[in-house]
Order: sequence, then structure tokens, then C-alpha cells
Amino acid sequence: KAGVTQTPRYLIKTRGQQVTLSCSPISGHRSVSWYQQTPGQGLQFLFEYFSETQRNKGNFPGRFSGRQFSNSRSEMNVSTLELGDSALYLCASSSQGGDSYEQYFGPGTRLTVT
Amino acid sequence: GQNIDQPTEMTATEGAIVQINCTYQTSGFNGLFWYQQHAGEAPTFLSYNVLDGLEEKGRFSSFLSRSKGYSYLLLKELQMKDSASYLCAPIGGYNKLIFGAGTRLAVHP
Repeated sequence: KAGVTQTPRYLIKTRGQQVTLSCSPISGHRSVSWYQQTPGQGLQFLFEYFSETQRNKGNFPGRFSGRQFSNSRSEMNVSTLELGDSALYLCASSSQGGDSYEQYFGPGTRLTVT
Repeated sequence: GQNIDQPTEMTATEGAIVQINCTYQTSGFNGLFWYQQHAGEAPTFLSYNVLDGLEEKGRFSSFLSRSKGYSYLLLKELQMKDSASYLCAPIGGYNKLIFGAGTRLAVHP
């Protein structure tokens, strides 16, 4: 079974631009969560989608948004990029919708904002 | 609150046993995961505790006390490849993992 895939793997953007990142979960997984990882703040939860519905959201500004498609693939969008948005963005998929299941992480997208 | 505390760094010798502790504020959490992360790689799942007590999985064991907001990860027969960061992550509902800052473990020969 293929793992979680994320595209692109690396991205360089300029302040003020917007960016869209993509995540394809493991086949059959319906839950996709997004995390931001920075050296200063560690791994922080952005949001979680299950069956195209956002069920949970972290403490990030409205510039961070996401969506999930009917095939469970998910995208996250960051508008009006700031230097502080430079980070590794990880998505994780899970087979079930509850709290009790292992999340499998993708390799991440490393975003650099200049 | 969601304060999660883990030691920042630990060192141990190959073949030894090491225990990594994690404490967290108890409100709103229903269980706890442990993940391993090597530098430059994504986190990989190690263990999950939803009930109090010890879960054993090969060389790794994890313990949880929900009432005390306390967990530990026990690594036995340490190998050089176990040098990595270990992340404690209580579950805040609907697959929302709240990660601690992680413990960097260095295993020496």
C-alpha cells in the first residue's frame, strides 16, 4: 500500500504571495490532518478533515485554510504569505474518524518564504 | 491549558534502557501517542495509550496515567538507530494531536 504523499516537496515563495499544498492519504483513509513544524514552535496542529468536513481546527489565523475532496485528497492554502510561515508542512492520514487511531505522516512540504 | 513537558535532551549508551517522561495538563485529552522523528524525516508512530497502564510493543513500551497527566516511553536494548527525537502527543479530539517539543535522544557506543 502506498504511503501518504505530499506535493510539492519543496517550495520557495515571496512575501505576500499565496500557496497551495496537496496531500494524498493512504488508500481507504478518510481523515486528513495538517501540521506545521518549525524549530521554534515544534509541531502544531492546523486542521483536520473527515469526509470533506473540517472537524477540528488549531489556533492559526484565517490565512490558513484547507479543503478535502470526495476522494479524500486534501489541500491547504496559505494566503498573503509572511516570513514566519516558512516551515515544514506535514499531513497525516488515519483510517477512522475517531480519536483512537494511528496517524501516518507524509514526507512533508518544506516552504520557504523570502 | 495544553502544557506538555518533556526533557529537551537525553543521552544513553547502546544496549541500555532509557525512560522518557511526558507530563501534560489533563483537561480535554482522551489518550496519548508517542512518535519518533529522525532529523529531516516525518514522524513515525511508536505507540498509543487510550487506557491507563502499560502497552508493550517489542523494544518499546509506553505507560499512561490519565488522572495524573503522566506518560513515559521506555526504550530497551538501545541501538544507535534509536538516536532521534521522541514526541509525546496527547489527543485533543478528532485526530488532533497536541505535540510536545520533543526529547532529543543521543545513543552512544
